[in-house]
Amino acid sequence: QQQVKQSPQSLIVQKGGIPIINCAYENTAFDYFPWYQQFPGKGPALLIAIRPDVSEKKEGRFTISFNKSAKQFSLHIMDSQPGDSATYFCAAKKPLSTLTFGKGTMLLVSP
Amino acid sequence: DVKVTQSSRYLVKRTGEKVFLECVQDMDHENMFWYRQDPGLGLRLIYFSYDVKMKEKGDIPEGYSVSREKKERFSLILESASTNQTSMYLCASRTGTGYTFGSGTRLTVV
Repeated sequence: QQQVKQSPQSLIVQKGGIPIINCAYENTAFDYFPWYQQFPGKGPALLIAIRPDVSEKKEGRFTISFNKSAKQFSLHIMDSQPGDSATYFCAAKKPLSTLTFGKGTMLLVSP
Repeated sequence: DVKVTQSSRYLVKRTGEKVFLECVQDMDHENMFWYRQDPGLGLRLIYFSYDVKMKEKGDIPEGYSVSREKKERFSLILESASTNQTSMYLCASRTGTGYTFGSGTRLTVV
């Protein structure tokens, strides 16, 4: 049973575009929703995270939008750059538990 | 910054060998994790540990075991390596909600 469904599997955008990666979950006990960014040859690194008491969080060019009623959250990358090319993972966590990851999205930002 | 170090970047082992993957963290974190990463399957939790000598099974523990004799070190053991264990293995440690990952060990079993 996949608890966090992530889409698309891969995404190609031109420089300056706004890639959007979506995740959906079923378990309403989840209360922490992070996004991780992974470059080739590196481990994932925390990019941005949100809790369900807010609908949006921005950090630089990265924004999480959260829809509690729809049980969905998404990552938007404003003014995307070739250096943003990476694999992105959404995740969810409930109290006293471990992170559950989505399957990942490979993003390529073309120059 | 927290540093999580995995001892080997690449490993090639033969089927049936006992394989040890080592992970060390330098920030006195109590929680440590082993994941495997496969294309299209994302990150899957193998085992985790909340404290020294404590271990809990994750989602895919079959064929693996772990050891945590010291707080800073968490080892993943493949008792008898098989080709379907060829994968990228990622170690992580946690404080609060933040996970810090190592750079991974790419294991090939031939």
